[in-house]
Formats: sequence, structure tokens, C-alpha cells
Amino acid sequence: ETGVTQSPTHLIKTRGQQVTLRCSSQSGHNTVSWYQQALGQGPQFIFQYYREEENGRGNFPPRFSGLQFPNYSSELNVNALELDDSALYLCASSFTSGAYNEQFFGPGTRLTVL
Amino acid sequence: DQQVKQNSPSLSVQEGRISILNCDYTNSMFDYFLWYKKYPAEGPTFLISISSIKDKNEDGRFTVFLNKSAKHLSLHIVPSQPGDSAVYFCAASDRNFNKFYFGSGTKLNVKP
Repeated sequence: ETGVTQSPTHLIKTRGQQVTLRCSSQSGHNTVSWYQQALGQGPQFIFQYYREEENGRGNFPPRFSGLQFPNYSSELNVNALELDDSALYLCASSFTSGAYNEQFFGPGTRLTVL
Repeated sequence: DQQVKQNSPSLSVQEGRISILNCDYTNSMFDYFLWYKKYPAEGPTFLISISSIKDKNEDGRFTVFLNKSAKHLSLHIVPSQPGDSAVYFCAASDRNFNKFYFGSGTKLNVKP
């Protein structure tokens, strides 16, 4: 069973650019959540996708958007990058069944905005 | 708007002793609480959880206590081992499980 993978591992962008981060869910999982973890902080919930639809959203502006594909892999897109977007971006996959099911996190993508 | 707070950034404990990590929350709609453990260069891994209908859940060396009236939970690790050294996050969700709120983490150092 393959775990959650994320690509790329590290990324450097400049202010104003756009970035796409990718996540491959664990086999059998139908839900993916994205988190932003700034240095010294806990993960902040960005949004969750369930069966290709956005299922919940945290306090992030619309320039943070996502997609979930039929194979349940996912993308996080950030437009008009700002310096404060520099962070570790984590995705987590799970199987939604009504009750809580464990989220499995990937190792993250470290984004640096210059 | 920090709905889940971990007020101790770090904790140092001797091997074999008890580690107690604390977490407070403000949202009374939270229904489910979790603890995660994170090593450097890895994503968080689930450790233990508790539903709001319980006040205690135990799994081996790990016990989570929930005090709903105080909006407080704690994680007890007994006995602590050097391999427990990591950053511990508490997290909370309502019963929809479509939003999870994390604390800022407590870095635990277990000294041999």
C-alpha cells in the first residue's frame, strides 16, 4: 500500500507568480485536505475535497484553489504569491464514511517566496 | 483566530517519567479531538483521539483526557521514551470532519 506522496519537495518562487503543488492520495482514500504550516506554527486548514468537490474551507483567500481528480490525486494552486505564502504545505488523505477516519499526511512541499 | 491553543512550546522530561502535554480550545462545537506526532522532514502521524462523549481514551502508553467544561485536553505519555521526542500537535473538529483546527505544537524532548 503506497502512502501519501507530494511533489515537488521544495520550490522557490517570486512574489506575484503562480504555483501548483501536487498530492497523491493513499490507495482507497476519497478525501484530501490541504494545510499550510508556517515556521513555528501548527498546520492551518486550507480546504478539503471529497469526491472531487470542495467539502470545507478554512480562512484562506480565493487565490488558494484546488482540484481533486477521479483517481483522487489532488492539486493546490496559489495565484499572485505573497511573501507570507512561504510555508510547508501538507496534504492529508482519508476515507470519508460519516465517522472520523484517520488522516494520513504526506511529507509536505516547502515553498519559499522571494 | 486561534481556536486550538497549545501554550507550552516545549517540554523536557527524563526517560521513564510521565510527559503531560496540554491543549485548550474555544469552540464548543468541537466534537472530536486528536493528537498528532511530527518528526522533522515528515508529515504529522496520528497518535490518539477522543470523542466528546468520553473523558478518557487510552492506547498503550498514551492516554488522552478531555475536560469539556474547561475546554481542555491533555495527553499523558507513561513511561516516556527517547523515541517519543518529537513535536506534538493537538487538533479538533466538529462532527462533520470537514475542517480540522490544529494547535501550534509542543516540542517534547525525552532525555535518556
